[in-house]
Amino acid sequence: GAVVSQHPSWVICKSGTSVKIECRSLDFQATTMFWYRQFPKQSLMLMATSNEGSKATYEQGVEKDKFLINHASLTLSTLTVTSAHPEDSSFYICSAAITGPGGTQYFGPGTRLLVL
Amino acid sequence: KNEVEQSPQNLTAQEGEFITINCSYSVGISALHWLQQHPGGGIVSLFMLSSGKKKHGRLIATINIQEKHSSLHITASHPRDSAVYICAVSPVQGGSEKLVFGKGTKLTVNP
Repeated sequence: GAVVSQHPSWVICKSGTSVKIECRSLDFQATTMFWYRQFPKQSLMLMATSNEGSKATYEQGVEKDKFLINHASLTLSTLTVTSAHPEDSSFYICSAAITGPGGTQYFGPGTRLLVL
Repeated sequence: KNEVEQSPQNLTAQEGEFITINCSYSVGISALHWLQQHPGGGIVSLFMLSSGKKKHGRLIATINIQEKHSSLHITASHPRDSAVYICAVSPVQGGSEKLVFGKGTKLTVNP
C-alpha cells in the first residue's frame, strides 16, 4: 500500500529556534499534501493544504509566516516551524492524497515536537 | 455543534466482544473515512466509504447517506484493537480533499 514517511519522528528544541519537518510519499506521487496538528486528547486540526509547485493554502488562524510550507516535488513537502515557542509543542502529522476530491489520504506517522 | 459527531467518546470492552462505534455528520459529503490512531500517534486509514458497506477482516464499516450516519463494527475484538478510532468526512462544499474530523472514540479492549 501507499506509504508516507515523516522525519524526524520527534524533536526537542529550544524556544526561538526553527524546526523543519519532512513529509515524503515513498511509493507514489502526491499532488496534494496536508499538514495537521494534534494537541493532547484533541482531534486533528488541518493547518494547511499544500499543492506541488504552488503556495500552500492556510486554514484560518494559522500563521503562514510562522509555519512555512514548501512542496517542491510530488513526493516531498516540508513544514518549518519558525521561532518555535512552547505553545507550538504538538504532534504534527502530514498526509498525502493520490486522487481528486474524496480520494484516500495516506497519513504519515507524525512528528512530536517539544519546545522548551 | 461539530460537523462530525462520534459516540461513544470512550469504550471499554472485553476480548471477544462485538464493538460498534457511531459517527453522525451534518454536511453533504463525497466520502467518509474511518481512521485508526495507535497510542504512538501513527494514523492508519481503515475505510473510505461513499455508500453501502465495506468489510476488511474483522472490521465492517457501513454508511447511510440519507441519515448521514456511519458505523464501524469490530467483531471478536482483541487487545491489539485498542486505539482511537476517528471518523472523518470529505465535505462536498470546498471541492478539495479536505477532511473534517470527529473527536475520536478511544477503545480499550481488555484481555
